[in-house]
Amino acid sequence: QVQLQQWGAGLLKPSETLSLTCAVYGGSFSDYWWIWIRQPPGKGLEWIGEINHSGSTDYNPSLKSRVTMSVDTSKNQFSLNLTSVTAADTAMYYCTSRLVGTGFDPWGQGTLVTVSS
Amino acid sequence: QPVLTQPTSLSASPGASARITCTLRSGDNVATYRIYWYQQKPGSLPRYLLKYKSDSDNRLGSGVPSRFSGSKDASTNAGLLLISGLQSEDEADYYCAIWYSSSYWVFGGGTKLTVL
Repeated sequence: QVQLQQWGAGLLKPSETLSLTCAVYGGSFSDYWWIWIRQPPGKGLEWIGEINHSGSTDYNPSLKSRVTMSVDTSKNQFSLNLTSVTAADTAMYYCTSRLVGTGFDPWGQGTLVTVSS
Repeated sequence: QPVLTQPTSLSASPGASARITCTLRSGDNVATYRIYWYQQKPGSLPRYLLKYKSDSDNRLGSGVPSRFSGSKDASTNAGLLLISGLQSEDEADYYCAIWYSSSYWVFGGGTKLTVL
């Protein structure tokens, strides 16, 4: 059973880079796609992108120019970098996972990232 | 026009059934998509409920009660989340999602279900 634990800076200034990491416990790291999703306060879910164990990625077209995801298979971790943040990037950020053909499950505990000068 | 459109809110009575729609934008055919549904209660993580493409291609998530099911309405180009025997604990936000155009995941805007 996969469990996810995430961490990263919660308060950023405009133009800084958001960096989050998610550690994977249990399961087979190579079987899953590893995903980042965000949710602005009071709003809906937005898929940011996903990566697999070999580093293949897909990104949300609206964020693609600012997003980089990476994996560290030696530590069973994956990470998100989002550059040039603005107040519009203020959101709860979740890591999650999926097997091919299944939904996003489980979810990390979430990290609230606030962008403010 | 958004890829997926959901009603903002829906109300239903305890014991009744609820039908939440997820309408695919014009030009895209709902028949070709597997639709995933999520539940999010206030202050909680999203929870994966089920996936539905057809009567032969669908599955509930782990631990999800059989009161939850999926369907499609081809006439309105919509995916459906059906909840029978509504309980107060079903009060939540519900989101649909698809893997769109073989390229990226898209969520609907979410539907707030009130059970009263």
